[in-house]
This record gives sequence, structure tokens and C-alpha cells, in this order.
Amino acid sequence: GQNIDQPTEMTATEGAIVQINCTYQTSGFNGLFWYQQHAGEAPTFLSYNVLDGLEEKGRFSSFLSRSKGYSYLLLKELQMKDSASYLCAVKDSNYQLIWGAGTKLIIKP
Amino acid sequence: IAGITQAPTSQILAAGRRMTLRCTQDMRHNAMYWYRQDLGLGLRLIHYSNTAGTTGKGEVPDGYSVSRANTDDFPLTLASAVPSQTSVYFCASSEGSGDNREQFFGPGTRLTVL
Repeated sequence: GQNIDQPTEMTATEGAIVQINCTYQTSGFNGLFWYQQHAGEAPTFLSYNVLDGLEEKGRFSSFLSRSKGYSYLLLKELQMKDSASYLCAVKDSNYQLIWGAGTKLIIKP
Repeated sequence: IAGITQAPTSQILAAGRRMTLRCTQDMRHNAMYWYRQDLGLGLRLIHYSNTAGTTGKGEVPDGYSVSRANTDDFPLTLASAVPSQTSVYFCASSEGSGDNREQFFGPGTRLTVL
């Protein structure tokens, strides 16, 4: 079966750095996506990785290791507005997205 | 530019009733998707359409049907609603179904079936 695992919830302090991990087992791999979802809102795209390594985009970075079936999302200089759920999704051999349940990130002042 | 719109925003429905959730996009995207999101579970694909005139089944298609008569519209129909279909439904679209095509999401429809 296909499986995406992420921690259910994490807590971090404003101004700090947090790393959200994602491990996956899917039938085929055509890229890994990270989305942000604020409570009661739609998911919005953050990043895409298809090759191993780190992709940096402002305060957010995403890392991929295909051999380990592992990715992480790194958020720096945390702000209160970063309180949200972060969804990891993998595009499988059929080019369909398989989604993790999401990690709820709570930012404390 | 509105992006993707969904209607209704929320709905309470009696079990056994028929219901159509509407989805319209103005980005001329080829691919469209319907997901349901339930607490503690990831988004699950119900049906998808890679281009106008074609549709396919996702992970959880039972009890749902879709049509794609044109590029912009992708309605989702529940023929006879059941309480287990209580969920938040998101419509999404992407330029294509290729590798790096990110999906854009509508605001969602919160459906309660009693």
C-alpha cells in the first residue's frame, strides 16, 4: 500500500527554526510537494522537490532524499502567521497525489 | 481573476437526498480534481479529469459521480447521500497532470449529511 507519514502536531517558538519530517512509501515517485493549510482554508502550494537535495525559498526550505523515502520542510524565523497545518504529498506512478494527514504547527510567542 | 470557486460554501443534507457540488475555474487548466478531507486523514482523491471530456476514479469514488463537459466546470454529484459522506470537499485544478504541476485549490464545501 501507499503511505505518507508525518508527525501529527509540533510546537515551536516565535523566531525559532522548526523542521517537519515526512517519510513515504509509494508506488512510483514523480515528485514531492509541501502545502500549507490554515484552519478553515484551502491548501496552498509551498514547494516541490523531484531531485535529491535542498530547495530554498525565502524562510522556507525543503529537502528530499529519494533513496531514504524522506523529506523535510524547514521553517526559519518563525512568525505567528506560520501557525497552520503542513501537508506532505507525493506524486505516484499514475501522477496522482498521495497525501499525508498533515502536521499541525503551533507557534508560541 | 477568481481562480477556483466552489458552491455552496456549506450545506446540511438529509440522508438519501441527491446533491451536486459545483466547481468552476477560470485559469484554463486542463486537469481538475475532487478531494475530501476528514479529520486525522490526508486529502483523499474522489475523481479526477485530465482534460475536458474525460474523467477517472480516484481512491474513494463510491457514491460519487462527476462530469467534465467543458474546461471550466467539474461538478461532483452525490446520488443518494449517506452520513459517512460528511466531510469537507475541495476542488482543485492544475495546468496538466505532469510532474511539477502544482494543484490550486478552491475554498472548499463543508457538507453535513444527517
